Amino acid sequence: DQQVKQNSPSLSVQEGRISILNCDYTNSMFDYFLWYKKYPAEGPTFLISISSIKDKNEDGRFTVFLNKSAKHLSLHIVPSQPGDSAVYFCAGSNTGNQFYFGTGTSLTVIP
Amino acid sequence: NAGVTQTPKFRILKIGQSMTLQCTQDMNHNYMYWYRQDPGMGLKLIYYSVGAGITDKGEVPNGYNVSRSTTEDFPLRLELAAPSQTSVYFCASSYSRGGSFGSGTRLTVV
Repeated sequence: DQQVKQNSPSLSVQEGRISILNCDYTNSMFDYFLWYKKYPAEGPTFLISISSIKDKNEDGRFTVFLNKSAKHLSLHIVPSQPGDSAVYFCAGSNTGNQFYFGTGTSLTVIP
Repeated sequence: NAGVTQTPKFRILKIGQSMTLQCTQDMNHNYMYWYRQDPGMGLKLIYYSVGAGITDKGEVPNGYNVSRSTTEDFPLRLELAAPSQTSVYFCASSYSRGGSFGSGTRLTVV
């Protein structure tokens, strides 16, 4: 039972443009969400988080939007850079200790 | 400050063998986690710990055991390895919610 879904396995974007990565969840009790970035042969790196009491959180080029009614969150990267090319995972939690991860979206930023 | 260190990086096991994946963190984090990632899949939580002496099961605990005798160390034990345990294993630690991950252990069971 996949509680967090990333339905786009891959995404290609031109350098300088916006990248939008989407994530849907089924568990309405989730109250905290994370985005991680992962390069090949490395562990995931924390990118940005959002609590369910917010609908937006911004950190530099990265913004996460949360739509609780649609059970949907998205990560915006503006402007996209070649170094952003990686696999991005979203994760949700309803207990604080257990996180459920999506299957990831592979982003390629084309120079 | 090394962060989260996992050893070994690679290992090939025969069916029925046992092994321990080591995980150490030097950030004094209370929370530690073990995840596995299968090809094309997201990370699934195996076990986690909220502090020394306390461990709990995650989504996929069968075939694994953990212990947390110190804040720094959180080893994962595989008993009677099976081909279904072929995966990449990640250890993570955190102060609160989320976590810093190690670089992973790629395990193949043949």
